[in-house]
Amino acid sequence: QVHLQESGPGLVKPSGTLSLTCAVSGDSISGPNRWNWVRQSPGKGLEWIGEIFHTGITSYNPSLDSRVTISVDRSKNQFSLNLNSVTAADTAVYYCARANYDVWSGPLDYWGQGTLVTVSS
Amino acid sequence: EIVLTQSPGTLSLSPGEGATLTCRASQTVSSSYLAWFQLRPGQAPRLLIFGASTRATGVPDRFSGSGSGTDFTLTINRLEPEDFAVYYCQQYASSLRTFGQGSRVEI
Repeated sequence: QVHLQESGPGLVKPSGTLSLTCAVSGDSISGPNRWNWVRQSPGKGLEWIGEIFHTGITSYNPSLDSRVTISVDRSKNQFSLNLNSVTAADTAVYYCARANYDVWSGPLDYWGQGTLVTVSS
Repeated sequence: EIVLTQSPGTLSLSPGEGATLTCRASQTVSSSYLAWFQLRPGQAPRLLIFGASTRATGVPDRFSGSGSGTDFTLTINRLEPEDFAVYYCQQYASSLRTFGQGSRVEI
């Protein structure tokens, strides 16, 4: 069974950097699938942040492109999100998710439980 | 960027009734790379439908998806108490994945 688990600080200061890690079990991060980050701000809908393939190829939401970096650690079977210059508008529940390219054509089929990150001084 | 517009924003129904949610894309979603998700408070999003009409593993057959091009529909027959939630469509045809704004199904 595939399992994804987010971890990282729940509180980040304004202008700081939000850093989260997603540990993957039950699947190899070095396989054909891609690894995504999605967030949901309080009272708002889902927003796609970006995705990475194990080779390091990334795709980002242009609205966040200048501030976001997604990286992969194949040795630990995990991937990470860094979002810099954060403001209160970045307060959200952050989810990691798998895009299934092994059997299907990319739907997000497995998700982590999500982690709330609050930006506040 | 493909913009997805969902309607209605909120649907008020009773258990046992049916629900029809729509998702309209600003441009053609190629190969019907359109998915539907269910989001309940405190839970991870759940993939219901992908490829516009294929149910994900374990999804009850009261959920069905249809549509192509720019117009897509999620139908829920005989609502169960656990179906009262927020539903999102998402396109994954382009390198910029986008979500609709969500439709709430409430009692």
